[in-house]
Amino acid sequence: NAGVMQNPRHLVRRRGQEARLRCSPMKGHSHVYWYRQLPEEGLKFMVYLQKENIIDESGMPKERFSAEFPKEGPSILRIQQVVRGDSAAYFCASSPDRLSSGNTIYFGEGSWLTVV
Amino acid sequence: AQSVTQLGSHVSVSEGALVLLRCNYSSSVPPYLFWYVQYPNQGLQLLLKYTTGATLVKGINGFEAEFKKSETSFHLTKPSAHMSDAAEYFCAVRQAAGNKLTFGGGTRVLVKP
Repeated sequence: NAGVMQNPRHLVRRRGQEARLRCSPMKGHSHVYWYRQLPEEGLKFMVYLQKENIIDESGMPKERFSAEFPKEGPSILRIQQVVRGDSAAYFCASSPDRLSSGNTIYFGEGSWLTVV
Repeated sequence: AQSVTQLGSHVSVSEGALVLLRCNYSSSVPPYLFWYVQYPNQGLQLLLKYTTGATLVKGINGFEAEFKKSETSFHLTKPSAHMSDAAEYFCAVRQAAGNKLTFGGGTRVLVKP
């Protein structure tokens, strides 16, 4: 399966712990996007990364959240000191080098974070 | 800034009946338009997209959507609902020069036997 791979699919954390969500883009894709879906809501853009660069982080909360996409390995969305309000589904998507009219963003299966 | 409005957060249809999901967008320039479907506890699957050309777009699973610039709409339809169409549907837009999708709030479809 050459799709966007996310892990873990389900993660439970206690308040105050750290959550790390991983995303491996589709083969040949060098752009990664993270979206968050809160219960009963649509998806909200968080951050857009290329290898070793954050291109747009306008949707990232100012504190506790960070993202990276290193030269080697998956993209990681890190949430420090989680709170109950962080409970959500986090979706990763990827696209080729440049989005033209013919290109599409492909989504992974999501990582469901539950904070208890 | 662009935004997407999906009228009706829940839609109930009978099996075999028409499915109509409404999507309106606001954007300073005509964007690219997408419909995604999400089954429970799964990711998003692309149903169809409009970028340029013919305004009536056909997608997977018998769905189609029509881009109407004058109405800033991109409503999704399917002539005959199937039980397997029960899911949540999201309309999204992206600027031609941009890389960020803006989603509507979603419409959950229930199909009654």
